Amino acid sequence: AQSVTQLDSQVPVFEEAPVELRCNYSSSVSVYLFWYVQYPNQGLQLLLKYLSGSTLVKGINGFEAEFNKSQTSFHLRKPSVHISDTAEYFCAFSGTYKYIFGTGTRLKVLA
Amino acid sequence: DTAVSQTPKYLVTQMGNDKSIKCEQNLGHDTMYWYKQDSKKFLKIMFSYNNKELIINETVPNRFSPKSPDKAHLNLHINSLELGDSAVYFCASSATSGGGSYNEQFFGPGTRLTVL
Repeated sequence: AQSVTQLDSQVPVFEEAPVELRCNYSSSVSVYLFWYVQYPNQGLQLLLKYLSGSTLVKGINGFEAEFNKSQTSFHLRKPSVHISDTAEYFCAFSGTYKYIFGTGTRLKVLA
Repeated sequence: DTAVSQTPKYLVTQMGNDKSIKCEQNLGHDTMYWYKQDSKKFLKIMFSYNNKELIINETVPNRFSPKSPDKAHLNLHINSLELGDSAVYFCASSATSGGGSYNEQFFGPGTRLTVL
């Protein structure tokens, strides 16, 4: 069965520190992978996506993610976080006419 | 211009009532979705429509009835509301190609439904 696992439900990190949010997927077919961010009381918006090609994908707000097929991972990273990055982050992959989302990781940036 | 809009933003109602949530997208997308997000932020797909046709129904109770009058609209009607229906409901849209979901989904702002 296809699934997405986000290993950390919460990640606290100090401002200007680096952060990595982990995502692993399970699929027997090629996948298209996405990271979305949800700020409080808002809908989700796309941070970045991997369809094919270079395994290092850069997104908005200084985020990047690396697709690792052998480890079936798509971890999200940022070298220096800001208070404004506090939000819920979702990893997802696409299937036929639907997207499968992970359970989300709450990133809390501390001053 | 709002890409995906939903109304209402908040909905508070009594158990047993019937309510509707409306969704519209002005992106020209061919596929629209309804998601339910529970209090733990878990996001679960409910329905997927492509060109007004129901494609995916993820074992949602038949008290939930989506309707797509045209490609730009996907409304959700809920009969006999239950306490467990309390959640945030998100509408989304995307452009697909033969079912392949290569493109990002655009989400609406959500409708917070509270059933008392």
